[in-house]
Amino acid sequence: GENVEQHPSTLSVQEGDSAVIKCTYSDSASNYFPWYKQELGKGPQLIIDIRSNVGEKKDQRIAVTLNKTAKHFSLHITETQPEDSAVYFCAASKAGGSYIPTFGRGTSLIVHP
Amino acid sequence: NAGVMQNPRHLVRRRGQEARLRCSPMKGHSHVYWYRQLPEEGLKFMVYLQKENIIDESGMPKERFSAEFPKEGPSILRIQQVVRGDSAAYFCASSPGTVSNTIYFGEGSWLTVV
Repeated sequence: GENVEQHPSTLSVQEGDSAVIKCTYSDSASNYFPWYKQELGKGPQLIIDIRSNVGEKKDQRIAVTLNKTAKHFSLHITETQPEDSAVYFCAASKAGGSYIPTFGRGTSLIVHP
Repeated sequence: NAGVMQNPRHLVRRRGQEARLRCSPMKGHSHVYWYRQLPEEGLKFMVYLQKENIIDESGMPKERFSAEFPKEGPSILRIQQVVRGDSAAYFCASSPGTVSNTIYFGEGSWLTVV
């Protein structure tokens, strides 16, 4: 089955800095990679996703890159703000059909004002 | 359009009691997933259901845990004879089951076993 590794487990940055979270996956058939943000006491919320037919996707301060050859994908947050502080999860799955996303263990991002 | 609705949000049970967690998927979604999250840990897959069918329950403990998604009504995750180790956040997610396969999570049910 699929295995997703996520690093780092904790990331501390100053407000305004950039933050990068990296994930690797094992199943070359995976082709859909969502990212979720989980605030304390809440459920994970989808913030951005990417499919294997593109290498990069951007949405305001958030971007995701995908390297299919190396089987890794990354989340980039620019100009971080205190409200970006949360746990971020990456996931990998095969789009379509009855496929179950496999999640990384999460990255706790702390943005210091 | 309401999101994934879970209830109760918080549940306290004594050891040996039963816990029932309910999940109503987003409108138009026919696929439901249950995940468990222990403190400071990630999301562990438990079970994947479609209406009246369990598609994959490979992540669910063989004993004391069961799940259903009836033709009418919410999906239910049932934990019998709870033990302290069952204390966790249980998240339900749903998807439309189309090509996109994007899943959307509810706010979770926090189970505490005392």
